[in-house]
Amino acid sequence: QKEVEQDPGPLSVPEGAIVSLNCTYSNSAFQYFMWYRQYSRKGPELLMYTYSSGNKEDGRFTAQVDKSSKYISLFIRDSQPSDSATYLCAMKEYGQNFVFGPGTRLSVLP
Amino acid sequence: KAGVTQTPRYLIKTRGQQVTLSCSPISGHRSVSWYQQTPGQGLQFLFEYFSETQRNKGNFPGRFSGRQFSNSRSEMNVSTLELGDSALYLCASSSGGAGTEAFFGQGTRLTVV
Repeated sequence: QKEVEQDPGPLSVPEGAIVSLNCTYSNSAFQYFMWYRQYSRKGPELLMYTYSSGNKEDGRFTAQVDKSSKYISLFIRDSQPSDSATYLCAMKEYGQNFVFGPGTRLSVLP
Repeated sequence: KAGVTQTPRYLIKTRGQQVTLSCSPISGHRSVSWYQQTPGQGLQFLFEYFSETQRNKGNFPGRFSGRQFSNSRSEMNVSTLELGDSALYLCASSSGGAGTEAFFGQGTRLTVV
């Protein structure tokens, strides 16, 4: 079992839909959780950063962390074609390196 | 504020050669981490440097090495290149605190022929 699991997709949704992206993990010591967006042939861009459990909202993006279930989510409201990209979750223990999920490819169709 | 700069953006090397990649972190950041990204394996951690010292290391062979200079710029070297080393190499910059977020550069795409 991989440390971080993520549905690779591709996930196709119509413009304006609410998108839900998810990751599960096995290491209960993970405390820091991030979501990155990566366009083709570009480096990952940090979208959301969350410490421990709870919700965080930034514009159209909401990140949720449920440490009891070892499950994190990223919601995108009013999705746009420009949101089409690969979304990577990442997490880490205190003082350790990041562990990334394999990424979910998202296509938002106009 | 300038972002993370990686050079060169693209490289083509022959099997058996060696290569050096460079990363300049965000001004004020003291930690630089290196990752290898391939379609099959995703993003895999190579190593992290903080204040010129290697702080963490991933499970890569000794052919992969790095260093960090006093201005926090970092270089990564791969010796005796193999075809399987073809990948996007990414560096990430952070302030270096144990839980701080990381910001990536655009990467160096290395092709080994």
